[in-house]
Amino acid sequence: RKEVEQDPGPFNVPEGATVAFNCTYSNSASQSFFWYRQDCRKEPKLLMSVYSSGNEDGRFTAQLNRASQYISLLIRDSKLSDSATYLCVVNPRTDSSASKIIFGSGTRLSIRP
Amino acid sequence: GAGVSQSPSNKVTEKGKDVELRCDPISGHTALYWYRQRLGQGLEFLIYFQGNSAPDKSGLPSDRFSAERTGESVSTLTIQRTQQEDSAVYLCASSFRTSGAITDTQYFGPGTRLTVL
Repeated sequence: RKEVEQDPGPFNVPEGATVAFNCTYSNSASQSFFWYRQDCRKEPKLLMSVYSSGNEDGRFTAQLNRASQYISLLIRDSKLSDSATYLCVVNPRTDSSASKIIFGSGTRLSIRP
Repeated sequence: GAGVSQSPSNKVTEKGKDVELRCDPISGHTALYWYRQRLGQGLEFLIYFQGNSAPDKSGLPSDRFSAERTGESVSTLTIQRTQQEDSAVYLCASSFRTSGAITDTQYFGPGTRLTVL
């Protein structure tokens, strides 16, 4: 089983729709979680961190479910500019001197007019 | 302020040649990461530096790959005797630190697109 798994998509939704996708992780000791966004042929950029209590930033909501070992990203009122690949990132932090942040392969989202 | 920079932005080389890729992290960032991303695929972790030491080299795909970091700043990734399967975008990222409760946000450079003919 991969350490971090995502549905590759693509998710193709109309503008204005709400879309959500999950990311599962295998290491129950994982400490920190993030969503990054990567536009085509560009570098990944941090979208938001995911806190235990969940967090919201405008149209974006991230949730963590430790019991089931997944994180989710919800995008409301989607815009054309939301089209991108969304990368789930998990930091297992099993050893503070050798932490390695693990990136999922990404979920491709395409918003159509 | 200045972000992470990488050079060259593009590199085309012949199979069997050595290449050196450079990363300049954000000033003050102690952690530095190298990743490889093949076309249409996710990020593949290569190596991580904390300061000038590399506690985790587990991602280096073969002994043709090596990396170093000096002055807790610039890092170079060297690929010897390049092969066609080395063709990819090589991304560098830096973060403030990796221990403690900091969330370790990584800031990425624009990458070096390597093509091995």
